[in-house]
Amino acid sequence: GNSVTQMEGPVTLSEEAFLTINCTYTATGYPSLFWYVQYPGEGLQLLLKATKADDKGSNKGFEATYRKETTSFHLEKGSVQVSDSAVYFCALSGSGAGSYQLTFGKGTKLSVIP
Amino acid sequence: KAGVTQTPRYLIKTRGQQVTLSCSPISGHRSVSWYQQTPGQGLQFLFEYFSETQRNKGNFPGRFSGRQFSNSRSEMNVSTLELGDSALYLCASSPNRGPTDTQYFGPGTRLTVL
Repeated sequence: GNSVTQMEGPVTLSEEAFLTINCTYTATGYPSLFWYVQYPGEGLQLLLKATKADDKGSNKGFEATYRKETTSFHLEKGSVQVSDSAVYFCALSGSGAGSYQLTFGKGTKLSVIP
Repeated sequence: KAGVTQTPRYLIKTRGQQVTLSCSPISGHRSVSWYQQTPGQGLQFLFEYFSETQRNKGNFPGRFSGRQFSNSRSEMNVSTLELGDSALYLCASSPNRGPTDTQYFGPGTRLTVL
């Protein structure tokens, strides 16, 4: 079945530091890949997505590239801010026929300190 | 455009009771999915509805059920509540069904079972 593995947290960074959160996946076919972010007490917000190999998703300074050869979709940001403190989830959509539910990683909690 | 709304936001029930949660998708969205989020199990897919029909179901007992109405609004029901059902229940909507469709999440309903 499909699965997503992302780096365990928590991750604590100083403001303006470089961020990488690793994400690898196992899936049949050609899934779409997503990063969602969850702020305390809220639901999930889409951060970025990529739907085919070598696509780069980007939003609010965050980037991730769909690497089929390494089955990875690592999240990066060049300079984090305190406001980026949240839990980040990597996810893939089911690629089997008729099966489009999201499969999530366990989440990585990021804390950015001033 | 208004986002996904879920009601109620918080619920406290006792073991053995049943509960109904409601979700209103983004206007024009036809697919609604439900997920359970717990600290131990993370985010797990419950079921997906499209055109008033359940299209996919996760690995949950039959106590968990749902339905979708002609206006795409959806409800999920949990009967004979157990302590382990305490969780954040998230609803997500997408325009259609497909591997590249983005799912947009509501704020969730926090269910506590005492």
